Amino acid sequence: DAGVTQSPTHLIKTRGQQVTLRCSPKSGHDTVSWYQQALGQGPQFIFQYYEEEERQRGNFPDRFSGHQFPNYSSELNVNALLLGDSALYLCASSLESSVYNSPLHFGNGTRLTVT
Amino acid sequence: GQSLEQPSEVTAVEGAIVQINCTYQTSGFYGLSWYQQHDGGAPTFLSYNALDGLEETGRFSSFLSRSDSYGYLLLQELQMKDSASYFCAVRVVRGAGNMLTFGGGTRLMVKP
Repeated sequence: DAGVTQSPTHLIKTRGQQVTLRCSPKSGHDTVSWYQQALGQGPQFIFQYYEEEERQRGNFPDRFSGHQFPNYSSELNVNALLLGDSALYLCASSLESSVYNSPLHFGNGTRLTVT
Repeated sequence: GQSLEQPSEVTAVEGAIVQINCTYQTSGFYGLSWYQQHDGGAPTFLSYNALDGLEETGRFSSFLSRSDSYGYLLLQELQMKDSASYFCAVRVVRGAGNMLTFGGGTRLMVKP
C-alpha cells in the first residue's frame, strides 16, 4: 500500500524563480493538504484540496497556488520565490468521509532552498 | 485564530516516563492530535482525542480536557528511538473545509 509520495525530494532555486512541487496521496485518499515547515517549527497550513477545488486556505500570499487532478494527486506552485520561502514542504492526504477522526498521512516532504 | 503552546525541549533517560503538555486557544475545535517527527522524516500520527479523558496506545497515552483547553502526551518506558519532535495539533472546521493547526513542537531527547 503506497503511502504519500512527493517529488522532488530536494530543490534549489534562485530568488524570483517559480517552483512546482508534486504529491500523490495515499491510495484511497481523496483530500490533499499542503504544509510549510520552517526549520525547528511546526508545520504551517497552506491550503487544502478536495474534488479538485481549494476549499480552505491558511495565511499565505497568492504567490502560493495549487491544483488537484482527477486522480487526486496535487501540485503546489510558488511564484516569485523569496529567501523566506526556504522550508520543508509537506503534503498530507486524508479521507473526506472520515474527516473528523481521520489522521493525516504525510509524505517525506520537499526541501526547498532559495538562494 | 488558533494558538497552541507546548514546551520546546524535554530531556529524559531511557526507561523513564515523560509528559508533554499542550494548551490551545481555538474556535471550532474538533479534537486534539499528536504527531511524531524524527529528524529528516515525515510527521506520523500517534493519537487523537475528540472527547475528554485518556486514550492509550501501547507505550503512548494522550489526555484531553476540553474545559481547560489542555492536553498531554505521555510516553512510558522511554526508548532511544523515541528521540524526536512531538507536535500537538487541533482540527479546526470552517465551512466546507478543515485543517490541522500545529504547535511549535517539543523536541524530546532520550539519554542512556
